[in-house]
Amino acid sequence: TQLLEQSPQFLSIQEGENLTVYCNSSSVFSSLQWYRQEPGEGPVLLVTVVTGGEVKKLKRLTFQFGDARKDSSLHITAAQTGDTGLYLCAGVVGNTPLVFGKGTRLSVIA
Amino acid sequence: NAGVMQNPRHLVRRRGQEARLRCSPMKGHSHVYWYRQLPEEGLKFMVYLQKENIIDESGMPKERFSAEFPKEGPSILRIQQVVRGDSAAYFCASTTIPDTQYFGPGTRLTVL
Repeated sequence: TQLLEQSPQFLSIQEGENLTVYCNSSSVFSSLQWYRQEPGEGPVLLVTVVTGGEVKKLKRLTFQFGDARKDSSLHITAAQTGDTGLYLCAGVVGNTPLVFGKGTRLSVIA
Repeated sequence: NAGVMQNPRHLVRRRGQEARLRCSPMKGHSHVYWYRQLPEEGLKFMVYLQKENIIDESGMPKERFSAEFPKEGPSILRIQQVVRGDSAAYFCASTTIPDTQYFGPGTRLTVL
């Protein structure tokens, strides 16, 4: 059973389009993180959200943590080819180790 | 990723050999995590160490795998008698705060 479900699994869009990817769970997280991973590299932390309902913005990326702290979304405005990569969400439940979803593989086409 | 070093970046081993993967955490970080990533999969937790202590090894296979983080030097993930199923990317992450981790570039292990 996957603790964190990410959707969609794959997404291919044209440059300039907007998109939203989702990270859902039945568990309540004390914090949730989003990472981007490029081929052959390790994940790079984008943001950490800790408060239910929290919204954080990072340039064209908007991250939202659900009110119940069970889900999160990442919205990208006016996608660019440089946004291409694997987007991973990861959550902390109590004292358990960080749990990762399988990721959304985004391809932005010029 | 800046600061977390892993080596080698690529490692090829034949079945039955030993693999040693090294991780040097960011300066000032005393916590190290090891993860395994299979193709098209997320990262799976293996082990959490602090200097000279294993804190949580619940994700580590009971046989053939071991990890250490000595007082001096890098953290080592050791896989004895490797099998083809051990082929994967292995990442370490270091932190001072348990839930804010900074990842290294990974070691890609291929078992022939």
